Amino acid sequence: QKEVEQDPGPLSVPEGAIVSLNCTYSNSAFQYFMWYRQYSRKGPELLMYTYSSGNKEDGRFTAQVDKSSKYISLFIRDSQPSDSATYLCAMSSATGNQFYFGTGTSLTVIP
Amino acid sequence: EAGVVQSPRYKIIEKKQPVAFWCNPISGHNTLYWYRQNLGQGPELLIRYENEEAVDDSQLPKDRFSAERLKGVDSTLKIQPAELGDSAVYLCASSTNGAGARELFFGEGSRLTVL
Repeated sequence: QKEVEQDPGPLSVPEGAIVSLNCTYSNSAFQYFMWYRQYSRKGPELLMYTYSSGNKEDGRFTAQVDKSSKYISLFIRDSQPSDSATYLCAMSSATGNQFYFGTGTSLTVIP
Repeated sequence: EAGVVQSPRYKIIEKKQPVAFWCNPISGHNTLYWYRQNLGQGPELLIRYENEEAVDDSQLPKDRFSAERLKGVDSTLKIQPAELGDSAVYLCASSTNGAGARELFFGEGSRLTVL
């Protein structure tokens, strides 16, 4: 079993839709939960990170962590064509120096 | 300020040939990572450096892969000889090395095609 599982998609939605991206994990030691966005032929860039359980909001993006279920989510409201990218979840333990990535979900927002 | 710089961006070689990738991390970032990303997959760690010391190379195929980070700044990843299965994007990332949450800053990657 992989440490981090992520539905690879692809996901295609109309502009303005609400998008939900999810990951599950197996390691209880994970404390930091991150979402990276990767545009085609570019390196990943950090979108949001959350420490332990709870929600975090940044503009149109909301990250949720449920440690009891070992489940994390990223919600994108009012999705835009510029949101079209691959979204990678990533996790690390309290020491923060080892990262475990999901396989990424490919998202296309259609104008 | 410049981000993580990698070169070359693209490389096409025949199997059994050697190849090398170079990475210049963000100034002041003591931790440097090399990841491999296969098509449709997430990045997988090959090696992590803290300054010039390789502290995690457990996933580096040492029979054909080698890496170095002289003087704790730039790093080079080498494959010799390359195999068909090495075709992937090789990503370099850097971060500070404080405790707690770290943000990885990635370069644009070096895309390797082995024919």
